[in-house]
Amino acid sequence: IAGITQAPTSQILAAGRRMTLRCTQDMRHNAMYWYRQDLGLGLRLIHYSNTAGTTGKGEVPDGYSVSRANTDDFPLTLASAVPSQTSVYFCASSEISGSTGELFFGEGSRLTVL
Amino acid sequence: GQNIDQPTEMTATEGAIVQINCTYQTSGFNGLFWYQQHAGEAPTFLSYNVLDGLEEKGRFSSFLSRSKGYSYLLLKELQMKDSASYLCAVWDSNYQLIWGAGTKLIIKP
Repeated sequence: IAGITQAPTSQILAAGRRMTLRCTQDMRHNAMYWYRQDLGLGLRLIHYSNTAGTTGKGEVPDGYSVSRANTDDFPLTLASAVPSQTSVYFCASSEISGSTGELFFGEGSRLTVL
Repeated sequence: GQNIDQPTEMTATEGAIVQINCTYQTSGFNGLFWYQQHAGEAPTFLSYNVLDGLEEKGRFSSFLSRSKGYSYLLLKELQMKDSASYLCAVWDSNYQLIWGAGTKLIIKP
């Protein structure tokens, strides 16, 4: 049982470089999310998608973009990485209806921008 | 603005009981979640409350008072493996999840 798979698990990146974090789920969930988690702060929503073909901005979207071409995949792209984007990134998914809306998380991607 | 408050850190003894509080101020309310997160790992779901009262699930219980904007997570018979951060999150009126910063629970023998 895979659930949600993120890649890479860890990456060191030079400032200015482009980076895509991959996220794939096999639970056929409609909704997917990207969060960043920084020490002392709660999970902050970057972007979300309620269904394939649609995306929305979260609390901290600047410098990030997403796409949702199909139900399973939800990649997050940093067009030109900056040191303030050093963080742990979590991808998550949930059903919208018929459940408590519990989020299932991937194992996280630790990104360091130098 | 929307806000969720929980203590930053708590310490408890193995075998004891601990209560982790969460207060919230959000634009609307559609439910409250508690998640557990071990260091270096992903958050995992513990409980969901949408109605007032206590939900019990084994050694863990979660309480909600919507009129007070208050919840707590009660952990009984503490075990060393319960050392983790506990995250409180509220679904607002737009079904956006608002997260607290988490409470780091340290269990001592």
